[in-house]
Amino acid sequence: KAGVTQTPRYLIKTRGQQVTLSCSPISGHRSVSWYQQTPGQGLQFLFEYFSETQRNKGNFPGRFSGRQFSNSRSEMNVSTLELGDSALYLCASSLVDGTGTEAFFGQGTRLTVV
Amino acid sequence: DQQVKQNSPSLSVQEGRISILNCDYTNSMFDYFLWYKKYPAEGPTFLISISSIKDKNEDGRFTVFLNKSAKHLSLHIVPSQPGDSAVYFCAATISGNTPLVFGKGTRLSVIA
Repeated sequence: KAGVTQTPRYLIKTRGQQVTLSCSPISGHRSVSWYQQTPGQGLQFLFEYFSETQRNKGNFPGRFSGRQFSNSRSEMNVSTLELGDSALYLCASSLVDGTGTEAFFGQGTRLTVV
Repeated sequence: DQQVKQNSPSLSVQEGRISILNCDYTNSMFDYFLWYKKYPAEGPTFLISISSIKDKNEDGRFTVFLNKSAKHLSLHIVPSQPGDSAVYFCAATISGNTPLVFGKGTRLSVIA
C-alpha cells in the first residue's frame, strides 16, 4: 500500500511569490490535514479537508489556503510568501471512520523563502 | 496557549536502558493520545496511541501510560536502541474528530 506522497520535496521561492504544494493520501483515506513545522514550534495545524470540504482550520493568515479534489488529493497554496513561511510542510491522511485516528504523514515539502 | 507540552527538549539515554518521555496536556476534553517518532528530513511516523478509557497500552518495546487526573502521559522505551534516536512528538485529539494537537517534541539520543 503506497504511503502519503508529497511533491515537491524541496522548494526555494523568493519573497512575494506564491507556491502550491501537493499531497496524495493513502488510497481509501478521505481526510487530509496539513501541518507546518518550524524549529522550536513543533507541528502546527493548518487545515483539514474531508470529502472536498474544509472541516477544520488552524490559526494561520488567509495567505494560506488549500483544497481537496474528488480523488482526495489535496493542494496547499501560500500567496505573498514571507521569510517566516520557511518551514517543513507536512501532509497527513487518515481513514476517519471512527475506529482509528492515527494520521499517516508524508515526508514533507521543505520550503525555503529567500 | 500550548495545550500539549513536552517540557524536555532533549534526553540522552544509554543503549539498553529505559527511555521515558513525558507529555502534559491542559485540555480535559482530549480523550485520545498518540506518540509519533520523527527522523530528520522525514515525516512523523505513528508509534503508539492510547484512549482515555485505558491507563496503559503496550506494543513491543513501547509502552504508553496515561494519568488522566494529572493530565500526564509518558512513553517508555525498553530497552532503548541507537535506532530509537529521533524526535518524539506527543499529540492529542478529541474523539478523533478534531485536529491533532502536537507538543514541540523531545529529541532522544540513545548512546551506544
